[in-house]
Amino acid sequence: QSALTQPASVSGSPGQSITISCTGTSSDVGFYNYVSWYQQHPGKAPKLMIYDVSNRPSGVSNRFSGSKSDNTASLTISGLQAEDEADYYCSSFTRRSTPIFGGGTKLTVL
Amino acid sequence: EVQLLESGGDLAQPGGSLRLSCAASGFTFTNYALSWVRQAPGKGLEWVSAISGSGGSTYYADSVKGRFTISRDNSKNTLYLQMNSLRAEDTAIYFCAKDNSWGGNAAMVYDYWGQGTLVTVSS
Repeated sequence: QSALTQPASVSGSPGQSITISCTGTSSDVGFYNYVSWYQQHPGKAPKLMIYDVSNRPSGVSNRFSGSKSDNTASLTISGLQAEDEADYYCSSFTRRSTPIFGGGTKLTVL
Repeated sequence: EVQLLESGGDLAQPGGSLRLSCAASGFTFTNYALSWVRQAPGKGLEWVSAISGSGGSTYYADSVKGRFTISRDNSKNTLYLQMNSLRAEDTAIYFCAKDNSWGGNAAMVYDYWGQGTLVTVSS
């Protein structure tokens, strides 16, 4: 099973908004509303930012939001800050009852 | 405070075995499924295996099925991963991750992660 498709990199200036896409298939992203997003800073463990497409865990800034349309999910970060610079991974539950991750997107804050 | 502390990572030869452990604290251990997720050097995340809160249900990625075994000791609040027939492509940091869904079923969404333990497979 191939990884979900994410852009390798995105960039934005402080204060701007960016969106990271995550494309799957009708057997994962398109079938379930169980898409999650993780942030990972270099040398650190991943951190859950969004779950069930658009829910934010307690403590995560409301600058982070998620959505989904058909087989593609999206993570939007508004009001970009320097601390947002990190790798971002999407994940989806699949019809095989296992999760699958995206290949990751490196966010650069210019 | 939830804490997950992995151990057991080491250098192993191809075809060899290793056993990883993850000591958990700060939550009711039996109420949550747990998973192992790995990350090869410079690469992305790859889900490896999951186990329900009771230990009665286990799940594996195709890449490790038949070689790795996940288990848990609920009396010791510890998760394990027995890794046999190791291959070079198993080289990675292995993270222990806690499910965010109370009840023990594996939702496979992870709200807490350990810092990882490095497994290197090389001759």
